[in-house]
Amino acid sequence: QSALTQPASVSGSPGQSITISCTGTSSDVGGYNYVSWYQQHPGKAPKFMIYDVSNRPSGVSNRFSGSKSGNTASLTISGLQAEDEADYYCSSYTSSSTPYVFGTGTKVTVL
Amino acid sequence: QVQLVESGGGSVKPGGSLRLSCAASGFTFSDYYMSWIRQAPGKGLEWVSYISSSGSNIYYADSVKGRFTISRDNAKNSLYLQMNSLRAEDTAVYYCARGKHLYTSSWYGFDYWGQGTLVTVSS
Repeated sequence: QSALTQPASVSGSPGQSITISCTGTSSDVGGYNYVSWYQQHPGKAPKFMIYDVSNRPSGVSNRFSGSKSGNTASLTISGLQAEDEADYYCSSYTSSSTPYVFGTGTKVTVL
Repeated sequence: QVQLVESGGGSVKPGGSLRLSCAASGFTFSDYYMSWIRQAPGKGLEWVSYISSSGSNIYYADSVKGRFTISRDNAKNSLYLQMNSLRAEDTAVYYCARGKHLYTSSWYGFDYWGQGTLVTVSS
């Protein structure tokens, strides 16, 4: 099972919106609405940010939103803040022999 | 509150073995699927293994199949990962993470993570 493809880096200025893509196949992202997103600050454990493509867990800012079109899922961060600078990973359920796959990860830089 | 605390990491020579543990609290452990996920130094997340709430269904990444064994003790609220025939490429921080609830149909991902335990495989 190959990792889902994410851009290595995305940057934006405070207050702007940025979007991170996550491209898979019809066997994972395109086949199921079980895409999740995680935020990871350096030296910390990942934090659950989005589940089932577009749902936010309790406590996650509404500046974070998710969507999907075909085999590509997206995470949008609006009103970018300095604290959003982190690595972001997508994940999807898959129909392969291994039920989960992660994305390659995207480093978000706030300029 | 939900807590997951990993232990058992350390330094081991190639070909050696190590057993990781994850102590869970703050939720009904036996109601949740659980997973091990790892992250090599400076690299991305890699899903390693998954076990159903009862332990009857188990999955492994191809990279660890035949070498790693996941298990759980619901009476002790604990998750384990027995790692044998360790290789240099197994060097990583290993996270314990909570998966889906027994009664939900959604494979929604991993909502709580431990702080991780470092495994270093080197001669």
